[in-house]
Amino acid sequence: DIVLTQTPLSLSVTPGQPASISCKSSQSLLHSDGKTYLFWYLQKPGQSPQLLIYEVSSRFSGVPDRFSGSGSGTDFTLNISRVEADDVGVYYCMQTIRYQTFGQGTKLEIK
Amino acid sequence: EVQLVESGGGLIQPGGSLRLSCAASGFTVSSNYMSWVRQAPGKGLEWVSIIYSGGNTYYADSVRGRFTISRDNSKNTLYLQMNSLRVEDTAVYYCVGRTPYWGQGTLVTVSS
Repeated sequence: DIVLTQTPLSLSVTPGQPASISCKSSQSLLHSDGKTYLFWYLQKPGQSPQLLIYEVSSRFSGVPDRFSGSGSGTDFTLNISRVEADDVGVYYCMQTIRYQTFGQGTKLEIK
Repeated sequence: EVQLVESGGGLIQPGGSLRLSCAASGFTVSSNYMSWVRQAPGKGLEWVSIIYSGGNTYYADSVRGRFTISRDNSKNTLYLQMNSLRVEDTAVYYCVGRTPYWGQGTLVTVSS
Protein backbone atom coordinates (compact mmCIF):
# COMPACT_ATOMS: atom_id res chain seq x y z
CA ASP A 1 0.00 0.00 0.00
CA ILE A 2 1.12 3.56 -0.71
CA VAL A 3 1.62 5.62 2.45
CA LEU A 4 1.52 9.42 2.36
CA THR A 5 3.25 11.26 5.20
CA GLN A 6 2.41 14.92 5.77
CA THR A 7 4.43 17.41 7.77
CA PRO A 8 3.77 19.37 9.83
CA LEU A 9 0.54 18.05 11.34
CA SER A 10 -0.42 21.53 12.49
CA LEU A 11 0.39 25.10 11.50
CA SER A 12 -0.36 28.43 13.12
CA VAL A 13 0.10 31.28 10.67
CA THR A 14 -0.28 35.04 10.86
CA PRO A 15 -2.54 36.45 8.13
CA GLY A 16 -0.49 37.61 5.17
CA GLN A 17 2.36 35.22 5.92
CA PRO A 18 3.22 32.17 3.80
CA ALA A 19 2.62 28.54 4.71
CA SER A 20 4.02 25.30 3.38
CA ILE A 21 2.96 21.67 3.79
CA SER A 22 4.99 18.65 2.76
CA CYS A 23 3.68 15.31 1.55
CA LYS A 24 6.04 12.39 1.06
CA SER A 25 4.98 9.17 -0.64
CA SER A 26 6.32 5.69 0.04
CA GLN A 27 6.31 5.04 -3.71
CA SER A 28 6.65 7.15 -6.83
CA LEU A 29 3.38 8.67 -7.98
CA LEU A 30 4.62 9.08 -11.56
CA HIS A 31 2.44 7.02 -13.88
CA SER A 32 3.56 5.52 -17.17
CA ASP A 33 1.25 8.01 -18.88
CA GLY A 34 3.58 10.79 -17.74
CA LYS A 35 1.19 12.24 -15.18
CA THR A 36 1.81 12.33 -11.45
CA TYR A 37 -1.31 11.55 -9.46
CA LEU A 38 -0.95 13.71 -6.37
CA PHE A 39 -3.78 15.95 -5.23
CA TRP A 40 -4.35 18.49 -2.45
CA TYR A 41 -7.61 19.13 -0.62
CA LEU A 42 -8.83 21.55 2.01
CA GLN A 43 -11.54 20.47 4.42
CA LYS A 44 -13.05 23.51 6.07
CA PRO A 45 -14.82 23.00 9.40
CA GLY A 46 -18.13 21.21 8.94
CA GLN A 47 -17.69 20.79 5.18
CA SER A 48 -16.73 18.14 2.67
CA PRO A 49 -13.18 18.29 1.34
CA GLN A 50 -12.68 20.61 -1.63
CA LEU A 51 -10.09 20.05 -4.34
CA LEU A 52 -7.36 22.66 -4.51
CA ILE A 53 -4.61 21.16 -6.67
CA TYR A 54 -4.61 18.23 -9.07
CA GLU A 55 -1.70 16.36 -10.66
CA VAL A 56 0.85 18.07 -8.40
CA SER A 57 0.60 21.65 -9.60
CA SER A 58 -2.63 22.43 -11.48
CA ARG A 59 -5.11 24.61 -9.63
CA PHE A 60 -8.71 23.44 -9.73
CA SER A 61 -11.39 25.78 -11.01
CA GLY A 62 -11.94 28.78 -8.74
CA VAL A 63 -8.92 28.17 -6.51
CA PRO A 64 -7.02 31.40 -5.78
CA ASP A 65 -3.53 31.69 -7.19
CA ARG A 66 -2.23 32.07 -3.62
CA PHE A 67 -2.26 28.28 -3.62
CA SER A 68 0.43 26.43 -5.54
CA GLY A 69 1.73 22.88 -5.65
CA SER A 70 5.11 21.51 -6.59
CA GLY A 71 7.19 18.37 -6.45
CA SER A 72 7.85 15.16 -8.30
CA GLY A 73 8.19 11.44 -7.76
CA THR A 74 7.73 11.00 -4.04
CA ASP A 75 8.13 14.50 -2.58
CA PHE A 76 5.47 17.18 -2.87
CA THR A 77 4.67 20.56 -1.37
CA LEU A 78 1.61 22.76 -1.06
CA ASN A 79 2.39 26.44 -0.66
CA ILE A 80 0.09 29.26 0.34
CA SER A 81 1.76 32.55 -0.52
CA ARG A 82 -0.29 34.76 1.80
CA VAL A 83 -2.56 33.05 4.30
CA GLU A 84 -6.04 34.46 4.79
CA ALA A 85 -8.58 33.78 7.53
CA ASP A 86 -10.69 31.74 5.08
CA ASP A 87 -7.84 29.25 4.65
CA VAL A 88 -8.37 27.62 8.06
CA GLY A 89 -9.12 23.93 8.06
CA VAL A 90 -7.35 20.65 7.45
CA TYR A 91 -5.24 20.09 4.33
CA TYR A 92 -4.86 16.59 2.90
CA CYS A 93 -2.72 15.19 0.14
CA MET A 94 -4.10 12.21 -1.77
CA GLN A 95 -2.73 9.80 -4.36
CA THR A 96 -4.68 7.96 -7.04
CA ILE A 97 -1.96 6.04 -8.87
CA ARG A 98 -2.96 2.92 -6.96
CA TYR A 99 -6.52 3.11 -5.62
CA GLN A 100 -6.58 6.09 -3.23
CA THR A 101 -4.83 6.99 -0.01
CA PHE A 102 -4.67 10.17 2.01
CA GLY A 103 -2.08 11.82 4.17
CA GLN A 104 -2.87 12.26 7.86
CA GLY A 105 -3.91 15.89 7.38
CA THR A 106 -2.40 19.21 8.41
CA LYS A 107 -4.50 21.53 10.52
CA LEU A 108 -4.00 25.20 9.71
CA GLU A 109 -5.09 27.84 12.17
CA ILE A 110 -4.74 31.59 12.18
CA LYS A 111 -2.65 33.34 14.83
CA GLU B 1 -23.54 21.56 -11.98
CA VAL B 2 -22.36 18.27 -10.49
CA GLN B 3 -24.22 17.02 -7.45
CA LEU B 4 -23.61 13.85 -5.45
CA VAL B 5 -26.20 13.13 -2.78
CA GLU B 6 -25.62 10.33 -0.29
CA SER B 7 -28.33 8.62 1.71
CA GLY B 8 -28.84 5.51 3.79
CA GLY B 9 -26.81 6.28 6.89
CA GLY B 10 -28.12 5.83 10.39
CA LEU B 11 -27.71 4.02 13.69
CA ILE B 12 -27.11 0.29 13.43
CA GLN B 13 -26.10 -2.39 15.90
CA PRO B 14 -22.79 -4.23 15.58
CA GLY B 15 -23.11 -7.10 13.13
CA GLY B 16 -25.87 -5.36 11.18
CA SER B 17 -26.06 -4.23 7.57
CA LEU B 18 -26.68 -0.95 5.77
CA ARG B 19 -26.72 0.11 2.15
CA LEU B 20 -25.54 3.59 1.27
CA SER B 21 -26.62 5.26 -1.95
CA CYS B 22 -25.10 8.14 -3.88
CA ALA B 23 -27.32 9.73 -6.52
CA ALA B 24 -25.42 11.71 -9.12
CA SER B 25 -26.56 14.54 -11.34
CA GLY B 26 -24.51 16.43 -13.88
CA PHE B 27 -22.01 13.58 -13.80
CA THR B 28 -22.14 10.09 -15.31
CA VAL B 29 -21.30 7.45 -12.72
CA SER B 30 -20.58 4.71 -15.25
CA SER B 31 -18.08 6.80 -17.22
CA ASN B 32 -15.92 7.77 -14.29
CA TYR B 33 -14.23 6.14 -11.36
CA MET B 34 -16.18 6.53 -8.16
CA SER B 35 -15.11 5.91 -4.61
CA TRP B 36 -16.28 5.89 -1.03
CA VAL B 37 -14.19 7.70 1.56
CA ARG B 38 -14.98 7.79 5.27
CA GLN B 39 -14.08 9.99 8.18
CA ALA B 40 -14.41 8.76 11.75
CA PRO B 41 -15.35 11.42 14.31
CA GLY B 42 -12.45 13.80 14.78
CA LYS B 43 -10.19 11.79 12.49
CA GLY B 44 -8.74 12.07 9.01
CA LEU B 45 -9.95 10.81 5.65
CA GLU B 46 -9.80 7.08 4.91
CA TRP B 47 -10.33 5.56 1.49
CA VAL B 48 -12.84 2.68 1.63
CA SER B 49 -13.52 1.40 -1.90
CA ILE B 50 -13.34 2.30 -5.58
CA ILE B 51 -15.10 1.22 -8.76
CA TYR B 52 -13.55 2.04 -12.12
CA SER B 53 -15.44 2.75 -15.31
CA GLY B 54 -14.63 -0.75 -16.56
CA GLY B 55 -16.24 -2.24 -13.48
CA ASN B 56 -13.16 -3.33 -11.51
CA THR B 57 -13.58 -2.87 -7.79
CA TYR B 58 -11.08 -2.61 -4.94
CA TYR B 59 -11.33 -2.30 -1.18
CA ALA B 60 -9.32 -1.16 1.80
CA ASP B 61 -8.06 -4.04 3.93
CA SER B 62 -10.28 -2.88 6.81
CA VAL B 63 -13.50 -3.52 4.86
CA ARG B 64 -12.61 -6.20 2.30
CA GLY B 65 -15.00 -9.12 2.51
CA ARG B 66 -17.62 -7.08 4.38
CA PHE B 67 -18.37 -4.13 2.05
CA THR B 68 -19.40 -4.22 -1.61
CA ILE B 69 -19.33 -1.28 -4.00
CA SER B 70 -21.64 -1.27 -6.99
CA ARG B 71 -23.47 1.05 -9.34
CA ASP B 72 -26.74 1.19 -11.23
CA ASN B 73 -26.08 2.87 -14.54
CA SER B 74 -29.76 3.32 -15.31
CA LYS B 75 -30.22 5.26 -12.08
CA ASN B 76 -26.81 6.97 -12.25
CA THR B 77 -26.32 5.88 -8.65
CA LEU B 78 -23.42 4.45 -6.66
CA TYR B 79 -23.94 2.07 -3.73
CA LEU B 80 -22.01 0.71 -0.78
CA GLN B 81 -23.41 -2.43 0.81
CA MET B 82 -21.99 -2.71 4.31
CA ASN B 83 -22.34 -6.03 6.16
CA SER B 84 -21.00 -7.28 9.49
CA LEU B 85 -20.67 -3.72 10.70
CA ARG B 86 -18.28 -2.98 13.56
CA VAL B 87 -18.08 -0.14 16.05
CA GLU B 88 -14.95 1.05 14.24
CA ASP B 89 -16.95 1.54 11.03
CA THR B 90 -18.63 4.54 12.64
CA ALA B 91 -17.92 7.51 10.36
CA VAL B 92 -19.24 9.99 7.87
CA TYR B 93 -19.20 8.27 4.49
CA TYR B 94 -18.53 10.40 1.43
CA CYS B 95 -19.23 9.52 -2.17
CA VAL B 96 -16.51 10.88 -4.47
CA GLY B 97 -16.67 11.32 -8.24
CA ARG B 98 -13.17 11.06 -9.67
CA THR B 99 -11.24 13.57 -7.57
CA PRO B 100 -13.12 16.88 -7.61
CA TYR B 101 -16.68 15.92 -6.72
CA TRP B 102 -17.71 15.03 -3.18
CA GLY B 103 -21.11 14.55 -1.64
CA GLN B 104 -22.11 16.06 1.67
CA GLY B 105 -21.62 12.78 3.48
CA THR B 106 -23.91 10.45 5.39
CA LEU B 107 -23.29 9.45 9.00
CA VAL B 108 -23.12 5.79 9.93
CA THR B 109 -23.11 5.03 13.65
CA VAL B 110 -22.48 1.47 14.76
CA SER B 111 -23.39 1.06 18.39
CA SER B 112 -25.33 -1.19 20.70
